[in-house]
Amino acid sequence: NAGVMQNPRHLVRRRGQEARLRCSPMKGHSHVYWYRQLPEEGLKFMVYLQKENIIDESGMPKERFSAEFPKEGPSILRIQQVVRGDSAAYFCASSLKQNTGELFFGEGSRLTVL
Amino acid sequence: GESVGLHLPTLSVQEGDNSIINCAYSNSASDYFIWYKQESGKGPQFIIDIRSNMDKRQGQRVTVLLNKTVKHLSLQIAATQPGDSAVYFCADNNAGNMLTFGGGTRLMVKP
Repeated sequence: NAGVMQNPRHLVRRRGQEARLRCSPMKGHSHVYWYRQLPEEGLKFMVYLQKENIIDESGMPKERFSAEFPKEGPSILRIQQVVRGDSAAYFCASSLKQNTGELFFGEGSRLTVL
Repeated sequence: GESVGLHLPTLSVQEGDNSIINCAYSNSASDYFIWYKQESGKGPQFIIDIRSNMDKRQGQRVTVLLNKTVKHLSLQIAATQPGDSAVYFCADNNAGNMLTFGGGTRLMVKP
């Protein structure tokens, strides 16, 4: 049973370019969460999605960031016109049910903006 | 505002000793906490959780204690091993898996 799969694991972008991060949840999981982690800091919640719906995006910047979880395919976190401050590790997690606590995290996508 | 924080950023212990990692939280309404372990270059891994109707919960070599009076929880690791070296986070799961993480404690195990 494959875990949460994220790709790419490492992504380098120049300022102004777009970054697309993908997340395939564990089989059977319909709840997906995106978190951001700056070096030497804890993870910060960004957005919570269920299939085709954004449930809570209170942690996601209003501009340049968007997320989706289509009926078919992985969840995608999209960052437009990246800036150096977007450099971070972005983690996706999935769960079978809401509020179970047992989130299963992927290995993360590390974005570096030059 | 809500915050979950840690007292010690780095903890160094001798292999075989017990480790204690502490965490304070500010939201008195919080009732569900989780400890995660994060190894270098990897995602957080669930260790153990505790709800507010409990003061103590034990797992394999780990124990979590919750003191609601002073809003404090701790993670105890018995007979610490080199494989326990990682960053440990406490997290408040008061909002349906939209976790609030603390800043983390780095555990270093000396052989």
